[in-house]
Amino acid sequence: ETGVTQTPRHLVMGMTNKKSLKCEQHLGHNAMYWYKQSAKKPLELMFVYNFKEQTENNSVPSRFSPECPNSSHLFLHLHTLQPEDSALYLCASSQATGYNSPLHFGNGTRLTVT
Amino acid sequence: GESVGLHLPTLSVQEGDNSIINCAYSNSASDYFIWYKQESGKGPQFIIDIRSNMDKRQGQRVTVLLNKTVKHLSLQIAATQPGDSAVYFCAEKSDGGATNKLIFGTGTLLAVQP
Repeated sequence: ETGVTQTPRHLVMGMTNKKSLKCEQHLGHNAMYWYKQSAKKPLELMFVYNFKEQTENNSVPSRFSPECPNSSHLFLHLHTLQPEDSALYLCASSQATGYNSPLHFGNGTRLTVT
Repeated sequence: GESVGLHLPTLSVQEGDNSIINCAYSNSASDYFIWYKQESGKGPQFIIDIRSNMDKRQGQRVTVLLNKTVKHLSLQIAATQPGDSAVYFCAEKSDGGATNKLIFGTGTLLAVQP
């Protein structure tokens, strides 16, 4: 158990669908992150939230919309995705930004866009 | 530009042997480094970290070495076990802790032969 739970584990959606990914952390952390992991590429940072405030948007297309209602929950709302958006989406948390602290990852949502 | 790379994409070792996974980084301003392990179907799992004011840090069966002169990081695993089979990533941070933004390498696959 990682302390960071992501649902669903697998998601298949069409390009016209709207879906959401959910992340919950039980570690008492104050920072949460979305990363994208594609085959044979390094992990790509998408968004960073610190104390519920978005502090980083790494030039992510607007078809990805994050939401952080509190320090324990993070969502990624998806709409009109493209097949190249198929990837493993990883949520992570850390003590807070501004510290040299490791990220703790969930097991990801495997997204397939058809 | 900034980059974190691994010398060997695949490393095959015999069970019981020691493993050494290498990582080169290009940003001399990086001040914090982390090693992650990712097993199939799971998210990256934190193994060990090291700050730039250190050159060695030991954990349980793992040792991280940092050579700032040549910008090289290595992970040593003692008495490698089948359960160590996974992809190993190094990551660096060079923003002084402002955003906890990590730059990840592409990973090395460690295959442990029985």
